[in-house]
Amino acid sequence: EPEVTQTPSHQVTQMGQEVILRCVPISNHLYFYWYRQILGQKVEFLVSFYNNEISEKSEIFDDQFSVERPDGSNFTLKIRSTKLEDSAMYFCASGGYFTDTQYFGPGTRLTVL
Amino acid sequence: AQSVTQLDSHVSVSEGTPVLLRCNYSSSYSPSLFWYVQHPNKGLQLLLKYTSAATLVKGINGFEAEFKKSETSFHLTKPSAHMSDAAEYFCVVTGRTYKYIFGTGTRLKVLA
Repeated sequence: EPEVTQTPSHQVTQMGQEVILRCVPISNHLYFYWYRQILGQKVEFLVSFYNNEISEKSEIFDDQFSVERPDGSNFTLKIRSTKLEDSAMYFCASGGYFTDTQYFGPGTRLTVL
Repeated sequence: AQSVTQLDSHVSVSEGTPVLLRCNYSSSYSPSLFWYVQHPNKGLQLLLKYTSAATLVKGINGFEAEFKKSETSFHLTKPSAHMSDAAEYFCVVTGRTYKYIFGTGTRLKVLA
């Protein structure tokens, strides 16, 4: 069964450093999403991406964040200058055409020191 | 605007007894509603989805949920809990866009 994969599973970085979180969505999906879950809090929407552009973003998704689909398979989330409060589990999800069902990856735990 | 309230942060049941995880929603649009499960160190797995075709929705692993518009509820049930059901469960709503709005989650504990 196809699934969404994410790498790395855990990333530790120093405050101020750039990080790139990688996702490989399900191959025939057209909609891509990033969510995050700060420890002890609810899962929050960050951004949705369709047709090579951002279709919606939350207030959290400020200029420090960017997304890219550099090739036909990967979908990345870049945090330009990490802050302590960026420490969270980041989930990638993908969805097919004409459906609002999303399939999630296992997540990347980001720890900012 | 859409929102979801999961009424219990923790639920404990004995193995073999029924499970009830409660979810209330608010939506300005005809909502799609979902339940996802997250086992430790695993991703979010879709349990079931409501999209107006039928008010009683059956999902995987014996779970089902009933959409009650008059009560704005979408509670998740299972007749008989199994040890492997111990996990965190999330109720999710979407509306006009495909963006997911998550509840705060309910951690289910199953006692032997």
